[in-house]
Amino acid sequence: AQSVTQLGSHVSVSEGALVLLRCNYSSSVPPYLFWYVQYPNQGLQLLLKYTTGATLVKGINGFEAEFKKSETSFHLTKPSAHMSDAAEYFCAVSEEGYQKVTFGIGTKLQVIP
Amino acid sequence: DTGVSQNPRHKITKRGQNVTFRCDPISEHNRLYWYRQTLGQGPEFLTYFQNEAQLEKSRLLSDRFSAERPKGSFSTLEIQRTEQGDSAMYLCASSLGTSTGELFFGEGSRLTVL
Repeated sequence: AQSVTQLGSHVSVSEGALVLLRCNYSSSVPPYLFWYVQYPNQGLQLLLKYTTGATLVKGINGFEAEFKKSETSFHLTKPSAHMSDAAEYFCAVSEEGYQKVTFGIGTKLQVIP
Repeated sequence: DTGVSQNPRHKITKRGQNVTFRCDPISEHNRLYWYRQTLGQGPEFLTYFQNEAQLEKSRLLSDRFSAERPKGSFSTLEIQRTEQGDSAMYLCASSLGTSTGELFFGEGSRLTVL
């Protein structure tokens, strides 16, 4: 069964500091991996995804994530946090040919001025 | 493109009552999903449709829950004899049949059972 583990339900960073949100996955076959972001009172929206090919994936708003098979990880990073990045971030996994997407519990990012 | 639309956005009901939520997906999307999200948790999969066919149901979906997508367009999620534990945000998402799992979410329907 596929699953994801997000380490740290709350992360605080200073404005301008590095953002690192951690995600580890479990999958019996090569996974598809996603990061979704949820701003207050809004629906989830896709930030970036990994399916095949290049392991470093770039997304919207300056975020990127690297797929590391040996570590079963897909951590989300951004070099410099902005106040507008404050939101909840969800890591998710699915598998080729299997349409169910499984989400982690989410990490709430706080950006301190 | 009007996005995924859900209504009502908020529903407060008394325990034992029935409630129904509606989801209108993006028009060209043939897949439709229902998820449930409670405080401090990520979205939990409930059920999934491809066109009008319901292809998978989670064990979370008890007999009191039923979902339909009669003409392969909009979908309804009905909860009968609501319980306080049903209080949650119910999320609908849709996707294209050829996509690699990218889901487009609505803003959700929040249910409060008193």
